[in-house]
Amino acid sequence: GAVVSQHPSWVICKSGTSVKIECRSLDFQATTMFWYRQFPKQSLMLMATSNEGSKATYEQGVEKDKFLINHASLTLSTLTVTSAHPEDSSFYICSASETRDQETQYFGPGTRLLVL
Amino acid sequence: KNQVEQSPQSLIILEGKNCTLQCNYTVSPFSNLRWYKQDTGRGPVSLTIMTFSENTKSNGRYTATLDADTKQSSLHITASQLSDSASYICVVSALLLFSGGYNKLIFGAGTRLAVHP
Repeated sequence: GAVVSQHPSWVICKSGTSVKIECRSLDFQATTMFWYRQFPKQSLMLMATSNEGSKATYEQGVEKDKFLINHASLTLSTLTVTSAHPEDSSFYICSASETRDQETQYFGPGTRLLVL
Repeated sequence: KNQVEQSPQSLIILEGKNCTLQCNYTVSPFSNLRWYKQDTGRGPVSLTIMTFSENTKSNGRYTATLDADTKQSSLHITASQLSDSASYICVVSALLLFSGGYNKLIFGAGTRLAVHP
C-alpha cells in the first residue's frame, strides 16, 4: 500500500515553455501533498505544501507564480513550471500524506526536468 | 536553527564490508528521526524511524541507532551489497507546536555510498 506515482518520469523542454508534473496517490487519499526539488548531490528542498481544495503554501524563496500547484482532488496534485529556464532543471519529487503534516508521507519516484 | 548534518558526504566500500553513516542534528523540539535510502533518479524510501525513547532499530542489514542526549544517530550497514549503492538521508521531524502540533521534516544532505565489487 501507500503508493505514490509521478508523471512524467522525465521531461525535456525548451526554455520558455511550461511543464506540468502530476503526482497521484494510488491507494489512499492524500489530504496533503508536498513538492520538493533536488539538485545534483544535494538533499531534498521543500518547495510547497498543498492541501486538497485550498491554495498551496510556498516555502520562503519559492516563486508561487512560477511554480503553480493545484491540488484538485484527494488523489492528484500537479506542479506546473511556467516559462521554464535552464536553471529550473532539477529533480522534482512529490510526496503525499493522509494527514495535514509531514509526519507520515510517502514519496513519489520523482520527475527529472531538463530545460534546454 | 534546526539543522541536520551528515557525514561523510560520500563513501566507497567493497562489497561484503560493513560501514557506518553518521547524522548529527540540532532540531528542537524533537519528534523522531528517520533514515531514507534514495537510489539515483528515484524518490526516497524509508528504512527506519525512531522516536525519542528508542535507541536502536533494525531493518534487515540496516541498523540505526539514536542517542537523543547527544543528538546523534548512525546507520550501520552490514555485509554490503552492490544494491546498497545509493544516497542515505537522515531526516529529523520537528514538532511545530505553534502550528497546531504538526510536524516538519528537516532533511540532511545525505551520504552517497558506492559499493564496489
